[in-house]
Amino acid sequence: EAQVTQNPRYLITVTGKKLTVTCSQNMNHEYMSWYRQDPGLGLRQIYYSMNVEVTDKGDVPEGYKVSRKEKRNFPLILESPSPNQTSLYFCASSRGGLANTGELFFGEGSRLTVL
Amino acid sequence: AQSVAQPEDQVNVAEGNPLTVKCTYSVSGNPYLFWYVQYPNRGLQFLLKYITGDNLVKGSYGFEAEFNKSQTSFHLKKPSALVSDSALYFCASRRDDKIIFGKGTRLHILP
Repeated sequence: EAQVTQNPRYLITVTGKKLTVTCSQNMNHEYMSWYRQDPGLGLRQIYYSMNVEVTDKGDVPEGYKVSRKEKRNFPLILESPSPNQTSLYFCASSRGGLANTGELFFGEGSRLTVL
Repeated sequence: AQSVAQPEDQVNVAEGNPLTVKCTYSVSGNPYLFWYVQYPNRGLQFLLKYITGDNLVKGSYGFEAEFNKSQTSFHLKKPSALVSDSALYFCASRRDDKIIFGKGTRLHILP
């Protein structure tokens, strides 16, 4: 089954404790992206990757890091989480390059709470 | 800045009635426009897209959207609403290599 898998789905952590949210897709998609969803703000893009070893900032990259060492994986790293990073996070993927017409496949989401 | 706007936070429709969820866009060049739906505790699901061609686009679950260049709108429509259509709907556009989402409209279908 074609899917985007995120882990963990739920996490409560404390300020400053580094964490990683993993994302994996099995569709051989070139394009991957991270979004955060906050009430009243919709989805905002954090980082995206057009292909392996190619990453770029979205609209709200501060406080986050990403890496794309393999095509299927795109982890989101919070080096020193703060309470304003409490949010619902979504990973998404799509065919990349000229074929990228914007049809994104989303994971089920990771709800992160930073105390 | 290129963006999409959803002017209504919430739309209430009686079951069986037609529904419309509004979206306006502000993009330069030819717009790539999309609608996504989010059911409770789930990720977003793609509904339909407009790239070029026919202004009326048909998508999943009986939804369609009308692209109107003069009004810079891309409203989502369905002729007869179902209770199961209750969800959060997002309009989106492509900006360079990014997909930008509106703030979402919560659709309530009343039995």
